[in-house]
Amino acid sequence: ETGVTQSPTHLIKTRGQQVTLRCSSQSGHNTVSWYQQALGQGPQFIFQYYREEENGRGNFPPRFSGLQFPNYSSELNVNALELDDSALYLCASSLVGTSGYEQYFGPGTRLTVT
Amino acid sequence: SQQGEEDPQALSIQEGENATMNCSYKTSINNLQWYRQNSGRGLVHLILIRSNEREKHSGRLRVTLDTSKKSSSLLITASRAADTASYFCAFGGSQGNLIFGKGTKLSVKP
Repeated sequence: ETGVTQSPTHLIKTRGQQVTLRCSSQSGHNTVSWYQQALGQGPQFIFQYYREEENGRGNFPPRFSGLQFPNYSSELNVNALELDDSALYLCASSLVGTSGYEQYFGPGTRLTVT
Repeated sequence: SQQGEEDPQALSIQEGENATMNCSYKTSINNLQWYRQNSGRGLVHLILIRSNEREKHSGRLRVTLDTSKKSSSLLITASRAADTASYFCAFGGSQGNLIFGKGTKLSVKP
């Protein structure tokens, strides 16, 4: 167990709806990253937050947005859901704000959009 | 594409055999990491090897890195059924993120 938790475990939404996924970082970690993993693929970087500020962003549209709170927990919000948003969403926490270090992943939230 | 590429895509072996997975990449890296994922769950960090290291061991895992060939390999010795999982290599991107390949799906039969 990494100490990173995510909720909910599974979620089913309808196209056009909005969804909020939550992540609780490992104690002491100040950076959280979110990844989307489609079936049979590797995780794709969505964005990263460092000390409550967005620190980097992958090739995802603005309807994917996030927040990091003072206690370093985090949210991923997706608006106007599309069928292709169906995936496993993973958050990962780490201690510093740069890559090249070990990231601790949560168990993921499986989102199904119908 | 910056994405790493693992090879083979799938590997099936008997318990007790060794499993070797390879990873190739295209950019310069500071380090390369290997992760394991059990059946659509979260990823577990296995090992990190820095660009100035050539080989690293952790228990039954051995990782090599050849920066001149831009490749790495992960060897699991004396495999067990519990090693059945997908294995991913990952390296640092410019956004503070990790860049993953598509993974190797390892099946270890008892």
